[in-house]
Formats: sequence, structure tokens, C-alpha cells
Amino acid sequence: QVQLQQWGAGLLTPSETLFLTCAVYGGSFSDYPWSWIRQSPGKGLEWIGEINHSGSTNYNPSLKSRVTMSVDTSKNQFSLNLKSVTAADTAVYYCARGRGTTLTTARAYDFDYWGQGTLVTVSS
Amino acid sequence: QSALTQPASVSGSPGQSITISCTGTSSDVGGYNYVSWYQQHPGKAPKLMIYDVSNRPSGVSNRFSGSQSGNTASLTISGLQAEDEADYYCSSYPSSSTHVVFGGGTKVTVL
Repeated sequence: QVQLQQWGAGLLTPSETLFLTCAVYGGSFSDYPWSWIRQSPGKGLEWIGEINHSGSTNYNPSLKSRVTMSVDTSKNQFSLNLKSVTAADTAVYYCARGRGTTLTTARAYDFDYWGQGTLVTVSS
Repeated sequence: QSALTQPASVSGSPGQSITISCTGTSSDVGGYNYVSWYQQHPGKAPKLMIYDVSNRPSGVSNRFSGSQSGNTASLTISGLQAEDEADYYCSSYPSSSTHVVFGGGTKVTVL
């Protein structure tokens, strides 16, 4: 059974850097792309980006300038780094496994396993 | 504003069938079979219920079914049960985009 467990700081002040990590238990870490998705009341679900086991990344253009993802294959973990956060970054952040990938871009288009979510609040 | 349009709410009585629509364009919903549906209970992560328009992952009840007509995808829940009360989100992958997009979500209420 595949399980994703995530952790990271839940309260940030504006301009700080958000850092979350997701550990994958069970299944193959190298066979899937791994994504971060966030959910805020104002914007619903928003895909942030993805990374694969070799460290290749794709980011949402709207966040690309502030996002960095990394992977540690020795621990089957991947991480999200979002710098210069503002109140607009307040959301529940999820890590997720990409199930299907598009034929043209090889990017994930749906997600079959999710972490439990981390509420990140940005407030002064 | 979401790229995919869903009704804000749908309700039904136990045992009834309900259908949730997800309207996009020929560049996303209407163009590819990359439509998925997620169920989300309060405080929980989304759960994949339908992928590739009409396929159910292992373990998902056959009361859930997906379909597509033109630029609109639909999720039908038959034999509505109290446990089906949740938010439901559709998603698709637009040809002009670099990533998956989600609908705004539909709250299903079991009366």
C-alpha cells in the first residue's frame, strides 16, 4: 500500500520561505512523477509543480520564479521550497503521486495517492 | 476563476442518482481523455474516483461513473448514500497549458 507522509512548518511570516517534505512508503518511487498541489479558499486546487526520481522538474508558470523542488532517492522523499511567501500563499499543501502522464508532455494529469495535507498560514 | 466550470452545489435524497457537470473547452475536456474526478471530505485529502473520463481506480464503488459529451464531462453517483456527501472536483489537462487544471468544486448534499 502506498502512503505519503508530509511535514513542514505551518506558520510563516511574509517574505519567509516555505519548506515541506513528503516521504513515500510502498510502491516504486522511480516510476512516477511526484507533485505538490495546494488548496486555498479563494483559488481552489492549484498544481504547484512536479519532480521525478532523477530530479527533473516542471513548475506552474505562475509560481516558477519562487519554487524549487528537490528529491532524495535514498530516502524516497521529495521537497517543496517556496520563497518570499505572502498571505496569498496561505493554503493547505498536499504532496501527491502522478498516476497518468500525457503523451505529449509526459506530465502528470491525475493523482492517485495524496499526503495528509499541511495547512500553511502566512501572517504577520 | 477556475478553468473548468462546475455547479457550486448538487443535492439528492438517499437512493437517488445525481450528476455533476464539468464544462471546459475543446482544448481540454473536449479534446483529450485526461478528465479525472476527485472526492474530498472535510479535512481530508482529495481521493481519485474517476480517471481517463470513465475509469474507476481499484476500490472505488461502481456507484460512481464518469462520462463525456463534447466539452462537458459528468460524474454520476447512483444509489446516493450519506457517505457520498462531500466536495467533488474535476480536472483536465489543456493542450495550451503546461499543467493540469481543476474545476472549482461541487458540494454534494445528501438530503
